[in-house]
Amino acid sequence: GENVEQHPSTLSVQEGDSAVIKCTYSDSASNYFPWYKQELGKGPQLIIDIRSNVGEKKDQRIAVTLNKTAKHFSLHITETQPEDSAVYFCAASRPNTGGFKTIFGAGTRLFVKA
Amino acid sequence: DAGVTQSPTHLIKTRGQQVTLRCSPKSGHDTVSWYQQALGQGPQFIFQYYEEEERQRGNFPDRFSGHQFPNYSSELNVNALLLGDSALYLCASNSGISDTQYFGPGTRLTVL
Repeated sequence: GENVEQHPSTLSVQEGDSAVIKCTYSDSASNYFPWYKQELGKGPQLIIDIRSNVGEKKDQRIAVTLNKTAKHFSLHITETQPEDSAVYFCAASRPNTGGFKTIFGAGTRLFVKA
Repeated sequence: DAGVTQSPTHLIKTRGQQVTLRCSPKSGHDTVSWYQQALGQGPQFIFQYYEEEERQRGNFPDRFSGHQFPNYSSELNVNALLLGDSALYLCASNSGISDTQYFGPGTRLTVL
């Protein structure tokens, strides 16, 4: 069935370093890949997304890359700050009978040490 | 511009009881999806409502049902609660022409 695998499950970096989170998806019909940040006690917040017709997208310190052939996509955070500490989720979405269906990865807990 | 809102924030029920959770979508959005997020896991898709009808459904039993009202708000109902239903229930909304979803803060359900 449809599946999204996310690695690593936990990531600890020093403030100012870069962080990379990787995901793979199984459903070749997936065409939209959002990334969410979830802080303790809050709902997921959309931070960046990419569509299947684009290979890379950047927004300030955050970038996403997509390799459709390999079914891989990644989140890159540069110059990490303590406030980047949170759980990050990747997701893959596909059209499905008039709507769409989104599958989430299991999450990566990012710790940024000051 | 109000985002997605959910009520209540927290809820405690006992096994076998029934629960109703509520969601109001972001202004301008007409589609609502519900997700279950167990502790330490990613959100799992329950179902999606558009034009007051269930349009998509994930792998959840019939104990999970929903409704969408003419003002696009939505309810999630869970019957015959099990201990394993304890989770954060998230509501997400989007405009019907887009698959970009925005989440609410969630309702934390504890089943004792």
